[in-house]
Amino acid sequence: DTEVTQTPKHLVMGMTNKKSLKCEQHMGHRAMYWYKQKAKKPPELMFVYSYEKLSINESVPSRFSPECPNSSLLNLHLHALQPEDSALYLCASSQGDQPSSSYEQYFGPGTRLTVT
Amino acid sequence: SQELEQSPQSLIVQEGKNLTINCTSSKTLYGLYWYKQKYGEGLIFLMMLQKGGEEKSHEKITAKLDEKKQQSSLHITASQPSHAGIYLCGADIARASNYQLIWGAGTKLIIKP
Repeated sequence: DTEVTQTPKHLVMGMTNKKSLKCEQHMGHRAMYWYKQKAKKPPELMFVYSYEKLSINESVPSRFSPECPNSSLLNLHLHALQPEDSALYLCASSQGDQPSSSYEQYFGPGTRLTVT
Repeated sequence: SQELEQSPQSLIVQEGKNLTINCTSSKTLYGLYWYKQKYGEGLIFLMMLQKGGEEKSHEKITAKLDEKKQQSSLHITASQPSHAGIYLCGADIARASNYQLIWGAGTKLIIKP
């Protein structure tokens, strides 16, 4: 099973709302990722969790707040977003237990976020 | 200039024809990944290459990494409508930073019936 699930599939929120995106994997992967993807562009890395600890934060604004409650779950809390934050948000996971090794990342279907 | 150059940017191919997409770096590729994406959906992992000269195949798709580990190609034989989508290459260019992939700009593949 190489499935990563994400909810919701679509989300429309106002600039004053607070919402959360959820991601789950049951592959025993130790690394989980949040990406942002704008139309016709490759994914941009936002955050990486390794063994449930935040290991990479790519200078993401504080209105995005990641959380890793356990090894299978990854959340992205959203607050006071701007219209330019509208994008496809992708979650991914990889085996990631050897930092010097290469592992493929498995992606979820994404959440299409629209900020109005 | 981009660290990972992907070409062509788009490709229109008659159904049944073969095609090749390339991904080139000026740096050594410690891991090279090919993904396919349908519009608005997640990335589907196709293949990973690590060793110079390595070649992998799955159904009608073959990916190769050159001996110098700086260029990869994705070849589709006898293309079908199901092959349509955006193909992305991603790469580890720093051995100690495998979490951070660099990405090509993507190749949009259209299959004409």
